[in-house]
Amino acid sequence: AQSVTQLDSHVSVSEGTPVLLRCNYSSSYSPSLFWYVQHPNKGLQLLLKYTSAATLVKGINGFEAEFKKSETSFHLTKPSAHMSDAAEYFCVVSFTGGGNKLTFGTGTQLKVEL
Amino acid sequence: DAGVTQSPTHLIKTRGQQVTLRCSPKSGHDTVSWYQQALGQGPQFIFQYYEEEERQRGNFPDRFSGHQFPNYSSELNVNALLLGDSALYLCASSRDREYQETQYFGPGTRLLVL
Repeated sequence: AQSVTQLDSHVSVSEGTPVLLRCNYSSSYSPSLFWYVQHPNKGLQLLLKYTSAATLVKGINGFEAEFKKSETSFHLTKPSAHMSDAAEYFCVVSFTGGGNKLTFGTGTQLKVEL
Repeated sequence: DAGVTQSPTHLIKTRGQQVTLRCSPKSGHDTVSWYQQALGQGPQFIFQYYEEEERQRGNFPDRFSGHQFPNYSSELNVNALLLGDSALYLCASSRDREYQETQYFGPGTRLLVL
């Protein structure tokens, strides 16, 4: 079975400081890993995805994530937070041959303060 | 290029009623997946349709059913509504032939069951 655990339900940072959102995964097969963002009253937007190529994945809006197989982690980072980054972030896993069923984490609410 | 669209945006029903939600996939996509997102939680996979057939199903009762049309659009039907069915219902589309395909989400339909 596949699953993801988002280690923090809420993260608060100051504008201009680094962002770290933590995610650990469990998958019996080679996983595909994603980060999606959900702004209030809006749908889910893909930030980035890992598909067994480069372990450091760059996404939109300055976000990036590193796949670490030994730690079964896929943490999301950004060097400098912006007010517009405030949203709910979901770590997501699927695996090849699994029919592309997405399994979501419980989400991390990111708050950005002035 | 229109993205994934869903209708209606909001819906209020009473217990025991039936509801139909609609989804039009992104242009060029042939696979549609449905997810339920309860308040404060991550989306949960309901089922996926490809070539007008249900290809994979999550842990949802038979009250949840769907359909895919020849133009790849899809419907989600829920019978005998329960209070616990109140949620945001998300539709996602993708291209089956794309390796480790990315799913693109619509804005969702918010269902309230009274």
